[in-house]
Amino acid sequence: DVQLLESGGGLVQPGGSLRLSCEASGFNFNIYAMIWVRQAPGKGLEWVSGISGSGDYTYYTDVVKGRFTISRDNSKKTVYLQMVSLRGDDTAVYYCVKSDGMRFDSWGRGTLVTVSS
Amino acid sequence: SYVLTQPPSVSVAPGKTATIPCGGTGIGGKSVHWYQQQTGQAPLLVMSYDSDRPSGIPDRFSGSNSGNTANLTITRVEVGDEADYYCQVWDIISERWVFGGGTKLTVL
Repeated sequence: DVQLLESGGGLVQPGGSLRLSCEASGFNFNIYAMIWVRQAPGKGLEWVSGISGSGDYTYYTDVVKGRFTISRDNSKKTVYLQMVSLRGDDTAVYYCVKSDGMRFDSWGRGTLVTVSS
Repeated sequence: SYVLTQPPSVSVAPGKTATIPCGGTGIGGKSVHWYQQQTGQAPLLVMSYDSDRPSGIPDRFSGSNSGNTANLTITRVEVGDEADYYCQVWDIISERWVFGGGTKLTVL
């Protein structure tokens, strides 16, 4: 079975940094794109960032471009999201998602990031 | 950037049919995927590539896509289908994944 386990969330002050990790198992990790999707409290789903299976291609939504960096270590079956200059509107549950490049077929349980002083 | 539009809510009686629309310019030329999110849970893929049901999803769920509207249809609706539903596409022009705003399905 596919498993995606996020970690690294927590409370951080505005302007601070966090690194999220997502450890994958149960599938051939290095041939799938990996995606981060977030959901602010009471709001809808928002795609944040994506990375190709090889790691050669990365994608970001405009509001995080220049502040967030996605990366992956295929030897560890882990994808990361480095977040800097965090703002209050980055507060959300962050989901790690497995993708074939089009659809999001498996989701982790999410990790909560709270940006507040 | 590409925009997907969903009604905020749809209500249906148990046993009836619910249709959740997802609007977008020329969406019929894209592949649409649908997610169900029950309260406090992670989203679950319930329909992919317009009308392909993933393993484990009941055949009460079906999808269609044409012109400027894609639809997720749930027949013989059950109380357990009550959830938020999101449509999603990959926009090749902007190289972005896009979600609709979500529709809350209420089973009366």
